[in-house]
Amino acid sequence: EPEVTQTPSHQVTQMGQEVILRCVPISNHLYFYWYRQILGQKVEFLVSFYNNEISEKSEIFDDQFSVERPDGSNFTLKIRSTKLEDSAMYFCASTERMNTEAFFGQGTRLTVV
Amino acid sequence: QQPVQSPQAVILREGEDAVINCSSSKALYSVHWYRQKHGEAPVFLMILLKGGEQKGHEKISASFNEKKQQSSLYLTASQLSYSGTYFCGTARGSFGNEKLTFGTGTRLTIIP
Repeated sequence: EPEVTQTPSHQVTQMGQEVILRCVPISNHLYFYWYRQILGQKVEFLVSFYNNEISEKSEIFDDQFSVERPDGSNFTLKIRSTKLEDSAMYFCASTERMNTEAFFGQGTRLTVV
Repeated sequence: QQPVQSPQAVILREGEDAVINCSSSKALYSVHWYRQKHGEAPVFLMILLKGGEQKGHEKISASFNEKKQQSSLYLTASQLSYSGTYFCGTARGSFGNEKLTFGTGTRLTIIP
C-alpha cells in the first residue's frame, strides 16, 4: 500500500540551528501539507502546497519556515533558526485530489535543546 | 477557529457504544474524522461532505448536520482496537483549496 514517508524519524538540534525535515508524498498525489503536534496537544496546520506554490499558511508559519518541492518527489520543510518552542512532532500529509482523505506520514519528532 | 470536540475523554468497557461530537462556529463544507494512537500518525476514518449522506462502515459511522455545523462519530460495540484519540478536521471550502483544521481531540479508552 502506498504511504507517505518522512525522514528523519527523530532529530535533536541546538537552538538557533537550521533543520530540514523531509517527506516523500504518495506519487500521484497533488496536494501536500505540513502539520505539527506538540506533545499531547492537537494537530496544528502549518502550510499547504499545490502546483509548486504555497496555497495557504498559518500564523505559525512565519519567516523562519519555508517549504520546497525540489525534485518532483521530495517535499521539505525548513526551519531556519530553531527555537525551543519548535519542539514538536511534524507530520507531512498528501491528498490525491480535493475533498479526499489525507494520508499522513509517521512524523519527525523534532527536539530543540 | 478550531472545532470543539466533546467529550474530552471517555472510558468504555468493550462492547459499549460511544458518541463523539464536533462543532464549529463557522459554516463548514466538510468534516473529516481521524484516529490517532499514541506515538503514531493520524489515520483516516471518513469524510462527510456538505449535502452528502451519513457515512459508515462496520461499526463506525458518522453524521453531519450542516445547519448546526456539527458532526457526530458513532462507535458501536466498541473493540479494544478502537482506543486512541479521535480528531475531527473541518474545512470551510473544498479541502485542497482550504486547509483542514483539527479539533481538540477526544481520548477514547476501551477496557476489557
